[in-house]
Formats: sequence, C-alpha cells, structure tokens
Amino acid sequence: GAVVSQHPSRVICKSGTSVKIECRSLDFQATTMFWYRQFPKKSLMLMATSNEGSKATYEQGVEKDKFLINHASLTLSTLTVTSAHPEDSSFYICSAPQPGHSYEQYFGPGTRLTVT
Amino acid sequence: AQKVTQAQTEISVVEKEDVTLDCVYETRDTTYYLFWYKQPPSGELVFLIRRNSFDEQNEISGRYSWNFQKSTSSFNFTITASQVVDSAVYFCALRGYYGGSQGNLIFGKGTKLSVKP
Repeated sequence: GAVVSQHPSRVICKSGTSVKIECRSLDFQATTMFWYRQFPKKSLMLMATSNEGSKATYEQGVEKDKFLINHASLTLSTLTVTSAHPEDSSFYICSAPQPGHSYEQYFGPGTRLTVT
Repeated sequence: AQKVTQAQTEISVVEKEDVTLDCVYETRDTTYYLFWYKQPPSGELVFLIRRNSFDEQNEISGRYSWNFQKSTSSFNFTITASQVVDSAVYFCALRGYYGGSQGNLIFGKGTKLSVKP
C-alpha cells in the first residue's frame, strides 16, 4: 500500500528555535497534503492544507507566520514551527490522498515535538 | 457543518468481552465517507475501514465488525472477543465529497479502549 513518511519522528528543541518537519509520499505523487496537530489525549485537528505549487490554506486560528508550510514538490511537504514555544509541543501528523484510489488517505507516522 | 461525536471517552473491558464503540456524525453532504482508525501508544494511525454513504452494508473483518445506519447517522464499531492488543485509542472520522481525491478528515475525539487480561 501507499506509504507516507515523516522525519523526524521525535524532536526536542529549545524555546525560540525553529523546527522543520518533513512529510513525504514515497510511492505516489500528492498535489495536496494535510497537516494535523494532536494534543495529548485529544483528537486530531486540521492545521492546514498544503498545496503543491501554491500557498497553503490554513484553518481558522492557525498562525501562518508561525507554522510555515512549503509544498516543494509532488512528494514533499514541510512544516516549519518558527520561534517554538513550550505550548507548541504536540504530535504533528501529515496525510496525503493518493489520486485514483477512491479517496484513500494515507497518514504519516507522526512527529512528536517537545519544546523545552 | 460537519461533526463527528464519539460519546465514549474511555472504555475498559476484560479480555474476551465484546465491545462496541459508538460514532455519530453530522453532515449536509449527500455523498460522504466514514472511517475508523486505531491509534496505539506509538501514535501511528492505523487504517481500519472506509465506508461510503451509499453503501449501508455492514462489514465484518475477523473480530471487527461495523454497523452503518444512515437513518441514525451512526457508524458503530464492534470488537468481538477483545484482546489485550486491541488496547488503543480509536477514532471515527468523516470526509465529504469534493469531486476528487482531496478533502481532509474530520475526526471525533476518540475512544480509549483498555482491554485487561
């Protein structure tokens, strides 16, 4: 089946630094990818839709200047958390729909970010 | 607006018991898709099933079964003869039809299932 990878799986950073998370579709091209955030013991909340070749679409309440999204190619989207703060600590998950497969959506394994 | 409600926050059962996880959804779309995912402690989402809105047949896969009732907007998930390895958080999700393979999922809050030996 289709595979979506994320890197890194875990990252610890200091307050004020920036962290980049990569999401790759390994065996298919994805013109769209989704970024979700999951707080501990909570549900997944959509942060933004990453669009190849155009700007990302952010959900209400998500700061676009803080969470920079770049869909550099048909297989790669990156989420950069800028000037990270402890409240940004969370589990970030990306997903990508595989074209032509009945709207199947494939999730990456997630990235656990801890900001100290 | 689209919404998914999983009223059961946590369920605890003893191994070999049957357990049903409830899911109620709201949508104005006439065509939509429903999903169940399992999230073990590792965090990775494991796809369990997708059901489209015009297919109300119930489905059974091993110890898992799903009951889709469009009349009550419910898509419940039953695990028969539960096992310790079933312990996880289970999410029900909804996706509308956007004319293509796009569109994000709306997730319920999840039900944490603990199966004790």
